Amino acid sequence: QKEVEQNSGPLSVPEGAIASLNCTYSDRGSQSFFWYRQYSGKSPELIMFIYSNGDKEDGRFTAQLNKASQYVSLLIRDSQPSDSATYLCAVNPSGNQFYFGTGTSLTVIP
Amino acid sequence: DTGVSQDPRHKITKRGQNVTFRCDPISEHNRLYWYRQTLGQGPEFLTYFQNEAQLEKSRLLSDRFSAERPKGSFSTLEIQRTEQGDSAMYLCASSLVVAGGEQYFGPGTRLTVT
Repeated sequence: QKEVEQNSGPLSVPEGAIASLNCTYSDRGSQSFFWYRQYSGKSPELIMFIYSNGDKEDGRFTAQLNKASQYVSLLIRDSQPSDSATYLCAVNPSGNQFYFGTGTSLTVIP
Repeated sequence: DTGVSQDPRHKITKRGQNVTFRCDPISEHNRLYWYRQTLGQGPEFLTYFQNEAQLEKSRLLSDRFSAERPKGSFSTLEIQRTEQGDSAMYLCASSLVVAGGEQYFGPGTRLTVT
């Protein structure tokens, strides 16, 4: 079983819609959760992190964490074509090594 | 620029040659990580340092790979006797030592082994 699982997509949404990206993790003791955006050929860029159950909002982005169900999600409101990228979920179970999912490819259609 | 930097950005080498990559972390960050990423996959952990100490190394990491961070600042990753399967993007990230400290990535070094 992989430590972090993501649906690879591709996920397509029209411009202005809400994009919903999901991630599940296996280590129940995980404490820190991260979302990275990666454009093709570029390195990952941190967009959100969340440590506590519930929602965390930053601009058009909302991260949601449910530790009981072991999932973390990212909502992108008012999606723009520039949001088209691969979104990587990362989990830090022990404060040391990060585990990354394979990423979900998002395409925002103008 | 105060972000993570990596050098070179691209490296083409022939199978069997040794290569070395450099990473300069964000100046106040005391943790430095190395990852490898291939197409369609997420970053795969290789090793990490806290200051100059190498604290963890992936069990999957071949003995041909070695990393150093001699003064707790920049780090080097060396691959000896490269193989075609080593072709990948090598990413460096740095963070502070705080609970769940978020990592910031450099631009990566793309290695092609011919």
